[in-house]
This record gives sequence, structure tokens and C-alpha cells, in this order.
Amino acid sequence: QSALTQPPSASGSPGQSVTISCTGTSSDVGGYNYVSWYQQHPGKAPKLLIYDVSKRPSGVPDRFSGSKSGNTASLTVSGLQAEDESDYYCTSYAGSNSWVFGGGTKVTVL
Amino acid sequence: QVQLVESGGGVVQPGRSLRLSCAASGFTFSSYVMHWVRQAPGKGLEWVAVIWYDANKKNYVDSVKGRFTISRDNSKNTLYLQMNSLRGDDTAIYYCARGGFNYDYWGQGTLVTVSS
Repeated sequence: QSALTQPPSASGSPGQSVTISCTGTSSDVGGYNYVSWYQQHPGKAPKLLIYDVSKRPSGVPDRFSGSKSGNTASLTVSGLQAEDESDYYCTSYAGSNSWVFGGGTKVTVL
Repeated sequence: QVQLVESGGGVVQPGRSLRLSCAASGFTFSSYVMHWVRQAPGKGLEWVAVIWYDANKKNYVDSVKGRFTISRDNSKNTLYLQMNSLRGDDTAIYYCARGGFNYDYWGQGTLVTVSS
């Protein structure tokens, strides 16, 4: 049950794109299409942004997109806006009824 | 609308016990897998436990196995987390979350502080 690896920080200017990686193993990210991404503002509960690698819940802007290649999943935020400044977490099903989170990435809008 | 409301957090001494509750409303509770996820102060999220619809399957992160027990009462639309033998590294905000392979709704969290 080792945590998935995310970069601690990422940044971009308004209107630009930022991509956050989430690296696991063939036992979690690479083994299942059950990667999801969450946005968490300070003092708030996390909010689901992407599920099943690339699906967006209703109400989530299409500026947020997800993908996966091998053992690495990615979240791309296009057209960065000030309100996108937040912490972002990935999680993956890891088999045998267990889940694992990434360490989180703090996105700064410059 | 879907609501999840945690309660039961507080300050507890190491080695003692605490039971958290999560009251669910706005959806058919018995039809959903439920999770507990925690976040230590200033740290990232950590999956803690899962319970299936009718409680026939449960699982835990290794660090709480044998100490924590997840349960549910579908007649009361309530999820529980019994935490025994608490340690300092259990200090965290505990969130209940709805979902199967992902967590589509979260509660606001309840803070558990383990300290002498």
C-alpha cells in the first residue's frame, strides 16, 4: 500500500495549461482503469474532478481532463483560472478492496 | 441533495477509543459502498477503510488493521468507524465518502486529536 507519486507543486499563468502526473505500479494505476482526481481548497473537503481515468462528473468544467499511460495517470487543467489554485490528489484502486492516494500537488496560478 | 455529516471527533489520550459516525441523507444509503478517508494536519489524503452495501465485505489500510472497525446501519443511514488503541499518528481529519471505485460525495470531516 505505497502512496502514488505526485509532484509536490506545479504552476502556470492564467490561460495556460498545467499537467499533474500520478505514478504508481502495475498493481494499482497500471492494473485498473479506476483512477480518480480530487481538488481540495484549504479547509474544505475534497471534490471529485475526474473518475475512471478520464470521465468528468456533471458540473465539472471541461477544462479538467484525465488520461493514463502505463503506470502513470495525468490530470490536465487547461485555461488556468485563479480559482484553480488548490491542492490536487489522485487515487487508484489497488486491488483486493484497497485504495491508495497520491501525496498531493499544490497548483499555483502565477 | 446528498449530505454526509460526520461527528464524534475530539481529543483522546493515546491507547483510548473513539467512535465516529457519518449520517447520510439525500440518497439510498444501502445502495452505496462507503469509505473513510483521513488527512493528518498539513498532510495528504489517506484511504482508511471501505464497507460494502450490506457490510459483507470490509477492508482497511494496513496501519489500522486490528485497531479500527468500519460498520454501517442501513436502517439508520449511518456509517461508523470504531477506533481503538489510538496512536499519535492517527491524529487527522476523518472524512466519510460515498462511492465504489471513487468518492463522489464527501462529508465536511471530523477532527480526531490523539494527545496526552
